[in-house]
Amino acid sequence: DAKTTQPPSMDCAEGRAANLPCNHSTISGNEYVYWYRQIHSQGPQYIIHGLKNNETNEMASLIITEDRKSSTLILPHATLRDTAVYYCIVRPWNTGANSKLTFGKGITLSVRP
Amino acid sequence: EPEVTQTPSHQVTQMGQEVILRCVPISNHLYFYWYRQILGQKVEFLVSFYNNEISEKSEIFDDQFSVERPDGSNFTLKIRSTKLEDSAMYFCAGAGRTQYSPLHFGNGTRLTVT
Repeated sequence: DAKTTQPPSMDCAEGRAANLPCNHSTISGNEYVYWYRQIHSQGPQYIIHGLKNNETNEMASLIITEDRKSSTLILPHATLRDTAVYYCIVRPWNTGANSKLTFGKGITLSVRP
Repeated sequence: EPEVTQTPSHQVTQMGQEVILRCVPISNHLYFYWYRQILGQKVEFLVSFYNNEISEKSEIFDDQFSVERPDGSNFTLKIRSTKLEDSAMYFCAGAGRTQYSPLHFGNGTRLTVT
């Protein structure tokens, strides 16, 4: 079962920042936080991942709290094409193999014009 | 940017028939996965594959399912005798060399069993 908790849905206005929260209070020291999104039954798309430091790439920023029990994915300037289901996933990294991802229900982000 | 390619995009088959779903992973990936998503439900893990053998499989992945990577490029999922409840989107994914390399997914094959 997924070890994360996300609100079921949220919306934001086009051009504004979208801040997507995730709780992972039982995260272990060997687990990364990953974010994926799924646009209308397409394959899940990798966005970003992090262990304890904040991370930024061309798609988004990931802010992880100091205690690692929660994180926020930030889409700095949301567009209509960012409307999707966003999944926050914790995944162990030192198990001796490239471990699977376990998807929850995610959060549905609706970007309004 | 390299992509994971899945074929066909849509497969319709009759109950009891065998189907093979095909995937061409990104060339430098070493770990391979199949997932499925029944309409309106979560994305579910089926199986992972590394070094030409199954690394892990879920309870869904029973004797009716098999995977192989026969020629070092294509990665296939076979369902021997399809059931109505096998109707779903099937996603292939691959990941690179490190234990925390992110998975990259294809856009799926929609399997419809009638």
